Amino acid sequence: GESVGLHLPTLSVQEGDNSIINCAYSNSASDYFIWYKQESGKGPQFIIDIRSNMDKRQGQRVTVLLNKTVKHLSLQIAATQPGDSAVYFCAENSYGGATNKLIFGTGTLLAVQP
Amino acid sequence: DADVTQTPRNRITKTGKRIMLECSQTKGHDRMYWYRQDPGLGLRLIYYSFDVKDINKGEISDGYSVSRQAQAKFSLSLESAIPNQTALYFCATSDPTSGRTDTQYFGPGTRLTVL
Repeated sequence: GESVGLHLPTLSVQEGDNSIINCAYSNSASDYFIWYKQESGKGPQFIIDIRSNMDKRQGQRVTVLLNKTVKHLSLQIAATQPGDSAVYFCAENSYGGATNKLIFGTGTLLAVQP
Repeated sequence: DADVTQTPRNRITKTGKRIMLECSQTKGHDRMYWYRQDPGLGLRLIYYSFDVKDINKGEISDGYSVSRQAQAKFSLSLESAIPNQTALYFCATSDPTSGRTDTQYFGPGTRLTVL
């Protein structure tokens, strides 16, 4: 069946270091991927997305990499700050068909140490 | 995101009670969704609606019902609440006609506890 999973449930990094959060997906038909950030007590917040016709996309301090060969997605956060502490979810979506549903991973907790 | 609001933010109720969670959005999006989130699990889709006349079941719709009163409003009801419905509930919206296809924007969540 379809699934989106994360390799590391918890990631602890030092302030100022770079963070890499990984995600594996199993549905090769998925062609759109999103990273969300969820802070304590808040709803998920869109960070960055990428379509399957791209390998890399950059935002402000964040980069998403997509490796379709091994069905792997990663989120890189440069110069991690305390405000980056949150749970990060990847999600996948397949174009076409009668539905428009995102499949979410279980999340990775990023803990930034001062 | 203040564009998507949920009420109440917290609710404690007893088994067997009827509960309604409400969601409103000012984003002008046609598509709306209800999810639940449990500790250690990802977001699971309960119901979704692509427009006012469209209602679809998600993966865990049993025990829930929804009403799409208007483009901006999508309510989730628990007809007879049970303890395993204790969870965080999120409403989301999306606009597939925008450049950011299928991205969903979430409300702040409702924490529901069923005793």
